[in-house]
Amino acid sequence: DIQLTQSPSFLSASVGDRVTITCRASQGISSYLAWYQQKPGKAPKLLIYAASTLQSGVPSRFSGSGSGTEFTLTISSLQPEDFATYYCQQLNSYPLITFGQGTRLEIK
Amino acid sequence: EVQLVESGGGLVQPGGSLRLSCAASGFTFSSYWMHWVRQAPGKGLVWVSRINSDGSSTSYADSVKGRFTISRDNAKNTLYLQMNSLRAEDTAVYYCARDPPDYCSSTSCYTGTMDVWGQGTTVTVSS
Repeated sequence: DIQLTQSPSFLSASVGDRVTITCRASQGISSYLAWYQQKPGKAPKLLIYAASTLQSGVPSRFSGSGSGTEFTLTISSLQPEDFATYYCQQLNSYPLITFGQGTRLEIK
Repeated sequence: EVQLVESGGGLVQPGGSLRLSCAASGFTFSSYWMHWVRQAPGKGLVWVSRINSDGSSTSYADSVKGRFTISRDNAKNTLYLQMNSLRAEDTAVYYCARDPPDYCSSTSCYTGTMDVWGQGTTVTVSS
């Protein structure tokens, strides 16, 4: 099974900050990676797919990069509505999809 | 409006059964592969099962294989998850999610990307 490890697991930041979340895969997954945002009590929301393609309607302050085993999600200037938990997801071993453990982003 | 609405969750005793439903609207349901994903209280997302567009192909996570069955009725625009032999560790919020067929680059298609999610239905397995 392909494991995904996100770092950090918890991140405290301020409005306006630039933040980066990393997702590392236990083996190469090319660009078969997506990022999701989840707010408490809500369903996940797709942000990025194919490692770097912004989902329609998602603000451009979100960006994704990487290939192979290391990927990053960057928020260029944090907004109050961005405080949430973020998950990466690998599709390389489809249909055996796996998610990272999540990164909780909180207001400093 | 594109929408997925889950129902059927509830409290069930260990060893019991439950059938979840996911009603789709606002899009051509029969064109999309669909997934179930669950989230235990305070935990992360875990993929459970997927079904192709006409229902002829299904896949399951090892943790539910042989106990859960995914199915769909394209005439009713509804996805199902039949859950048997339930265990305490199946306690979770269950989400259905849509898998678009056209998330492709010039060289690859990103099957498994989930672009629309329902609000979730809660399953609690306890005596």
